Amino acid sequence: DTGVSQDPRHKITKRGQNVTFRCDPISEHNRLYWYRQTLGQGPEFLTYFQNEAQLEKSRLLSDRFSAERPKGSFSTLEIQRTEQGDSAMYLCASSSRGNSENYGYTFGSGTRLTVV
Amino acid sequence: GENVEQHPSTLSVQEGDSAVIKCTYSDSASNYFPWYKQELGKRPQLIIDIRSNVGEKKDQRIAVTLNKTAKHFSLHITETQPEDSAVYFCAARSFSGGGADGLTFGKGTHLIIQP
Repeated sequence: DTGVSQDPRHKITKRGQNVTFRCDPISEHNRLYWYRQTLGQGPEFLTYFQNEAQLEKSRLLSDRFSAERPKGSFSTLEIQRTEQGDSAMYLCASSSRGNSENYGYTFGSGTRLTVV
Repeated sequence: GENVEQHPSTLSVQEGDSAVIKCTYSDSASNYFPWYKQELGKRPQLIIDIRSNVGEKKDQRIAVTLNKTAKHFSLHITETQPEDSAVYFCAARSFSGGGADGLTFGKGTHLIIQP
């Protein structure tokens, strides 16, 4: 396990279609986060999970977005009825908490979504 | 919610000189402040972080300082090298509870090291 993996790396879809992205975190990390990054901006928080529980969702996460982490391991982010404004890089990150003093995130390489 | 401001948006320095990037935050409950480096087309990578019980932290050529009273923190890179060229993001995170555990990022600083 060398890091956070995201699939696919790139996705081009037509407006109105549904897309689903997958994230595999570092195995010993119990926290998983989704962020969105547009060109020239910092990552924007979307949602996060502790184990399988989704603990917080940003206002940015409209009803068309849903995220799951069914077994507390990998996570999926689905966007329904995509819009051109959804075009962005979707970043997944994981971290551990508890005994470790390291609260830093490890980011995946992201999924670049282009809605045409 | 938290708001993080980052300056400058672009910073050009001569190789070997020092670079300083500054951030301010709004939520006095924030107590964890990481810095990320993102090269073009790559993932953000954590380079250094600081917690609110510490005023300064150093790791080789990189240092971060935190002023809790003024709610600002800075990244210092000494003896800059071409490989330091990248976009740098500061972030703030609150452990004040209520489930709020997402990092709030600044808009980034594009650091350019001139040879």
